[in-house]
Amino acid sequence: AQSVTQLGSHVSVSEGALVLLRCNYSSSVPPYLFWYVQYPNQGLQLLLKYTSAATLVKGINGFEAEFKKSETSFHLTKPSAHMSDAAEYFCAAMNTGFQKLVFGTGTRLLVSP
Amino acid sequence: GAVVSQHPSRVICKSGTSVKIECRSLDFQATTMFWYRQFPKKSLMLMATSNEGSKATYEQGVEKDKFLINHASLTLSTLTVTSAHPEDSSFYICSAYTGAGELFFGEGSRLTVL
Repeated sequence: AQSVTQLGSHVSVSEGALVLLRCNYSSSVPPYLFWYVQYPNQGLQLLLKYTSAATLVKGINGFEAEFKKSETSFHLTKPSAHMSDAAEYFCAAMNTGFQKLVFGTGTRLLVSP
Repeated sequence: GAVVSQHPSRVICKSGTSVKIECRSLDFQATTMFWYRQFPKKSLMLMATSNEGSKATYEQGVEKDKFLINHASLTLSTLTVTSAHPEDSSFYICSAYTGAGELFFGEGSRLTVL
């Protein structure tokens, strides 16, 4: 079964610093991959998705992620953190041909002034 | 992007009562909708897959008689928590599949059972 691992339940950065949130998936067949952001008491907002096109995917709010098949990874990055980026981030995978999303456990991003 | 609306956003009920949560796709037809449950500081757990006009498919360990799901139309799915108990208190989130490899999520509904 597909699984998604997010390393680090909390990541703390200073405003202006690089953001790196890690995600690894387990599948012999590269799935569709997603990053979502969740603000407190809200639903999920799609940041970006990989669907077997370009390996470097650009999303909203300056985020991007790179699909690396050799490492089964899909890490999320942003060159310069902003206070408004503080939120919970979820990596998710969907096997092609199916519609179910499997979520990682989430990483809370904390941004300090 | 596509909009998925959930209602109510917050609901408080007494133990033993039933609560209905609605999930609507506002600007597209969703043949498939999903219901998730999110525990505090935890990830999202898929509860069931709801297909329009057919019975929902429940994930292992989810009580189908407690969590009734109805997908009556291409734009509406409902989750009814029957005979709710305090342990059913949680954040429930729905998502709707656009048919183009994309899911959109509702804003979530926080259920508190007293």
